[in-house]
Amino acid sequence: GENVEQHPSTLSVQEGDSAVIKCTYSDSASNYFPWYKQELGKGPQLIIDIRSNVGEKKDQRIAVTLNKTAKHFSLHITETQPEDSAVYFCAAIPQGGSEKLVFGKGTKLTVNP
Amino acid sequence: DAGITQSPRHKVTETGTPVTLRCHQTENHRYMYWYRQDPGHGLRLIHYSYGVKDTDKGEVSDGYSVSRSKTEDFLLTLESATSSQTSVYFCAIGTASYEQYFGPGTRLTVT
Repeated sequence: GENVEQHPSTLSVQEGDSAVIKCTYSDSASNYFPWYKQELGKGPQLIIDIRSNVGEKKDQRIAVTLNKTAKHFSLHITETQPEDSAVYFCAAIPQGGSEKLVFGKGTKLTVNP
Repeated sequence: DAGITQSPRHKVTETGTPVTLRCHQTENHRYMYWYRQDPGHGLRLIHYSYGVKDTDKGEVSDGYSVSRSKTEDFLLTLESATSSQTSVYFCAIGTASYEQYFGPGTRLTVT
């Protein structure tokens, strides 16, 4: 089955800097890769996703890149702000109609003012 | 969290008692999921549903059962709660194009 590994587990940056979180997956047939942001005491919120037919996707200050050959994908946050502080999860869904996401273990991002 | 509610939001129960958590959606999505979240383990799938009365097991289904008698409701039951089931439980709804949207969560403590 699919296995998703996420690094780093914690990340601390200064306000205004960029942050990058990386995930690798094992199933080469996986075709959907979402990223979630979870603030303390809340449910995970879908912030961006990418499908296997696209190499990069941007939405304002966040972007996701996908390298299918190497089986990894990354979340990039530019011009970080204190409100970006949260736990971020990557996930993957293997092809085949199971609709079951497999999650990484999360990255706690702290943006220091 | 729009369109998804979970009840109760917090619950404390004793070992050996049955517990039912409810997830309700107003989005009319076909897919619904139950996850548990524990430190060091991230989000793990317990059970999911792909239609009324159609359910299947996830990664950590032992000790849990589910039912879905209506599109909008997905129930998670712990037949006999154990301390290892102390966790935060999230319900999610899924679209046909794989996006999943999570509810606000239920914090369950088994004493």
